[in-house]
Amino acid sequence: GAGVSQSPRYKVAKRGQDVALRCDPISGHVSLFWYQQALGQGPEFLTYFQNEAQLDKSGLPSDRFFAERPEGSVSTLKIQRTQQEDSAVYLCASSPRGINEKLFFGSGTQLSVL
Amino acid sequence: DQQVKQNSPSLSVQEGRISILNCDYTNSMFDYFLWYKKYPAEGPTFLISISSIKDKNEDGRFTVFLNKSAKHLSLHIVPSQPGDSAVYFCAASARYGGSQGNLIFGKGTKLSVKP
Repeated sequence: GAGVSQSPRYKVAKRGQDVALRCDPISGHVSLFWYQQALGQGPEFLTYFQNEAQLDKSGLPSDRFFAERPEGSVSTLKIQRTQQEDSAVYLCASSPRGINEKLFFGSGTQLSVL
Repeated sequence: DQQVKQNSPSLSVQEGRISILNCDYTNSMFDYFLWYKKYPAEGPTFLISISSIKDKNEDGRFTVFLNKSAKHLSLHIVPSQPGDSAVYFCAASARYGGSQGNLIFGKGTKLSVKP
């Protein structure tokens, strides 16, 4: 596709439910990032992949958060036992090569935990 | 503790005039700075960047200035147009530091350009 695609666009979950958010990066992009953006805040780094390798997961807020990119293209961010504080927009971004470049962002998944 | 600060939550400017958006940072390891623009319900889109070896970078109506001694950068938009109305995020990266170069974002400044 022409840009980074994320699905679903909106997700409403009951507290305690597991959710899975999908990201399709720009074809051929090596690096993939997940960011979390709370209301009124800037995006905050969660995790980073280079191809299928997860090189940095220092931003994941708890062990309920898990991300994978098994074939080096599509990535999934999974949140187990969702809590209200997980409500945010989850942004995926990719870049052509390494980390030292501008990122191309998707439109995000808005997660609301009730 | 915020490493990238945008102290003005909002800015209103008349069409045709200059818009100046400011950003301060605290981490001296940052060596690459970017500005992103975000419309509602869309992801941020890259606008312009600057490396720490420069003090100015220009792209059409957009110019970014970097003052390393003050740990301050600014984005100038001249002339401002109504389509520039959006939230602008300043971001910084330590490409050669230990953080893997992931971007640290400010909270954003909402720019409104009035016709």
